[in-house]
Amino acid sequence: RKEVEQDPGPFNVPEGATVAFNCTYSNSASQSFFWYRQDCRKEPKLLMSVYSSGNEDGRFTAQLNRASQYISLLIRDSKLSDSATYLCVVSEGAGTYKYIFGTGTRLKVLA
Amino acid sequence: DGGITQSPKYLFRKEGQNVTLSCEQNLNHDAMYWYRQDPGQGLRLIYYSQIVNDFQKGDIAEGYSVSREKKESFPLTVTSAQKNPTAFYLCASSIWVSGANVLTFGAGSRLTVL
Repeated sequence: RKEVEQDPGPFNVPEGATVAFNCTYSNSASQSFFWYRQDCRKEPKLLMSVYSSGNEDGRFTAQLNRASQYISLLIRDSKLSDSATYLCVVSEGAGTYKYIFGTGTRLKVLA
Repeated sequence: DGGITQSPKYLFRKEGQNVTLSCEQNLNHDAMYWYRQDPGQGLRLIYYSQIVNDFQKGDIAEGYSVSREKKESFPLTVTSAQKNPTAFYLCASSIWVSGANVLTFGAGSRLTVL
């Protein structure tokens, strides 16, 4: 079983749609969770950290479910510029410098 | 602007040659990292360094070497012992924010072995 699993997609959605991605992780000791965005042939860029209580940043909402060991990302009112690969990143434990990266979920927003 | 600079952006190497990838940051971050990305795979950790003059192997350190003589610099050498070096190499640095160690990446170096 992969340590961090994501549906590779692609998710093809029309502009204005709401889309959600899930990511499951296997290490119950993981303490830090992030969503990164990666454009084609570019570096990953931090989209948002994921907190236990859930958090929102504009059109983006992240949730953490520790009991079921998954995190989610919801994008509302999708824009063409949201087209990218979204990487789920999970720490190996508490206070660690080591992170496990998912392979990413590809999103295409269509005009 | 603060950030991480990687060079070169593209590099071609003949088999049997060592190459060194540069990574410089002016974010004043203590920790630095090297990751490798291959198509269809998640980023994999090669080496990381928490402080100057100290570094640890990651999950795929074989065939690679690093040094951390200055806080700002963390060069990676891909040696001839690395059997499949063609990949996208990403340098990162990190800082603790609200109990989480947040990574910032450079633009990457794309290495192709001919």
